[in-house]
Amino acid sequence: DAGITQSPRHKVTETGTPVTLRCHQTENHRYMYWYRQDPGHGLRLIHYSYGVKDTDKGEVSDGYSVSRSKTEDFLLTLESATSSQTSVYFCATGTGNQPQHFGDGTRLSIL
Amino acid sequence: AQKITQTQPGMFVQEKEAVTLDCTYDTSDQSYGLFWYKQPSSGEMIFLIYQGSYDEQNATEGRYSLNFQKARKSANLVISASQLGDSAMYFCAMREGTVADTDKLIFGTGTRLQVFP
Repeated sequence: DAGITQSPRHKVTETGTPVTLRCHQTENHRYMYWYRQDPGHGLRLIHYSYGVKDTDKGEVSDGYSVSRSKTEDFLLTLESATSSQTSVYFCATGTGNQPQHFGDGTRLSIL
Repeated sequence: AQKITQTQPGMFVQEKEAVTLDCTYDTSDQSYGLFWYKQPSSGEMIFLIYQGSYDEQNATEGRYSLNFQKARKSANLVISASQLGDSAMYFCAMREGTVADTDKLIFGTGTRLQVFP
């Protein structure tokens, strides 16, 4: 158990509404990541954080923002959700050369 | 640009047989890491095995081994003595960048393995 909790686990919402996904870790890892998983694409990095208030963009960051005010929490926000953001979202933590450990994922559907 | 390619969308293997899942990568970095993850139908991502670019020996973890051929830029996963519980999606991933601390991963598109009795 890598101590990563994602919430909510499932969410259905409408286009244009704001959505925030939360990732909480108990391992005090410095690095945290948000990925999205879509058929035919594997997992793609959205944003990552290398410390409190230190974040950077990943491969598919458009339409997403993140915040990290505490070591243990990394929030992913969709300011105005679109149907193209329907996906499964994974949070992960990492430290140096060690493998990343993943949360159980959030299935987000935008109608 | 760094890239991971998994050319097998799906594979079938009989129980107790060995199976190889292919992964090729493209990078100009000398220092990199290669990972394999398993994703069962329940959806979680499970780390299986890691190979560093400077590791001289192929990584092994129980029934999993990584056939690392640096010159060919391939990092194939070998599962020996397949079990029904091995049926899952398998992802190859590469750590991007020479600065280990960022640890960003690039994933392939995955191979769905089905083990039949």
